[in-house]
Amino acid sequence: GDSVTQMEGPVTLSEEAFLTINCTYTATGYPSLFWYVQYPGEGLQLLLKATKADDKGSNKGFEATYRKETTSFHLEKGSVQVSDSAVYFCALITILTGGGNKLTFGTGTQLKVEL
Amino acid sequence: DGGITQSPKYLFRKEGQNVTLSCEQNLNHDAMYWYRQDPGQGLRLIYYSQIVNDFQKGDIAEGYSVSREKKESFPLTVTSAQKNPTAFYLCASSIGFFSGNTIYFGEGSWLTVV
Repeated sequence: GDSVTQMEGPVTLSEEAFLTINCTYTATGYPSLFWYVQYPGEGLQLLLKATKADDKGSNKGFEATYRKETTSFHLEKGSVQVSDSAVYFCALITILTGGGNKLTFGTGTQLKVEL
Repeated sequence: DGGITQSPKYLFRKEGQNVTLSCEQNLNHDAMYWYRQDPGQGLRLIYYSQIVNDFQKGDIAEGYSVSREKKESFPLTVTSAQKNPTAFYLCASSIGFFSGNTIYFGEGSWLTVV
């Protein structure tokens, strides 16, 4: 079945450091890919998405490019801030056999940014 | 403002009790979902609904039940048959079931068994 693999956390960085969180996936066809962010005690917020190969999603300084050849969707940011500290989830849309679709998530990567 | 409202934020359940988590959306979305989140894990799908009066089991439906009597409402009941209900529960919705549609989440409900 479809699956998403993310790098283990926590990732600890100093403010203004460069961030990469790796995400690879296994899926039939060409699913849409997403990054969600979860702040402590809150629900998930969509950070960015890409719906086809070579698309680049971007938002709030974060970027991720849909790489079909490597089945990857790595999240990057050039200069992180303390306020970026959160858990980041990579996800893809899975087509359900009974109709409809759902998000299949990775296990999440916790990011801690220190001054 | 449009969004998804979950209540209560925190809920405690005694052994053998059924509890119901509320989820309301005013986004006019057709599709609604319930996910469960355990510490250090990703989210797992419990139930989903494509239209009113229709719903389907997800990956971990055992011990849960839902209803979809109105488009904007999708309550989740955690029954006594759910052996390990302590978790963070997230309700979500989307316009429809096309691959590119974004799924939006509520703020979540914490359920603890006491």
